[in-house]
Amino acid sequence: AQSVTQPDIHITVSEGASLELRCNYSYGATPYLFWYVQSPGQGLQLLLKYFSGDTLVQGIKGFEAEFKRSQSSFNLRKPSVHWSDAAEYFCAVGYNNAGNNRKLIWGLGTSLAVNP
Amino acid sequence: ETGVTQSPTHLIKTRGQQVTLRCSSQSGHNTVSWYQQALGQGPQFIFQYYREEENGRGNFPPRFSGLQFPNYSSELNVNALELDDSALYLCASSSGTGRVTDTQYFGPGTRLTVL
Repeated sequence: AQSVTQPDIHITVSEGASLELRCNYSYGATPYLFWYVQSPGQGLQLLLKYFSGDTLVQGIKGFEAEFKRSQSSFNLRKPSVHWSDAAEYFCAVGYNNAGNNRKLIWGLGTSLAVNP
Repeated sequence: ETGVTQSPTHLIKTRGQQVTLRCSSQSGHNTVSWYQQALGQGPQFIFQYYREEENGRGNFPPRFSGLQFPNYSSELNVNALELDDSALYLCASSSGTGRVTDTQYFGPGTRLTVL
């Protein structure tokens, strides 16, 4: 079955520290990969996406992610975290196969807390 | 440009009742997708509407139904509510034909509590 794993339920970092949030997907076909952020009372916002090409993608708010096919991973990184980055982060995967090209499969999310 | 809006913000119902949630898509978007997000979980795809037709469905029973109107706004209807239906219901709109590669723009959600 297709699934997305975010191994870290909760992460706490200090402001200014670097951040890496992990994401692994299970299905072997070429995936379309996404990272979204969800802040309380706000809708999910797309941070970045990967479809093909350069495996290191840049997103909004200073985030980047790297697709590693050999590890079935798409980890999200930020060099220096700001207090406003505290939120829930979701990794999502989509596929372009018949009957399954309309929906995204989501991880359980990683809750990020930022210490001042 | 107006973003995706959802109403109501919060809703409390009792088991067995019916509920209707509403979504106004972003200007120019013709596709709406609905998701259920239970507490501590990621969103689960319910279904998608493209140009007023259901265009894909997740693993949800028929008591979850929807509509899309000519102005591309949408409704999610849930009949015979169960306690497990308590969740945040998210609506997302996109342009294009509704493929996963289309960027989705999410509303803030409707929090449904079933007692």
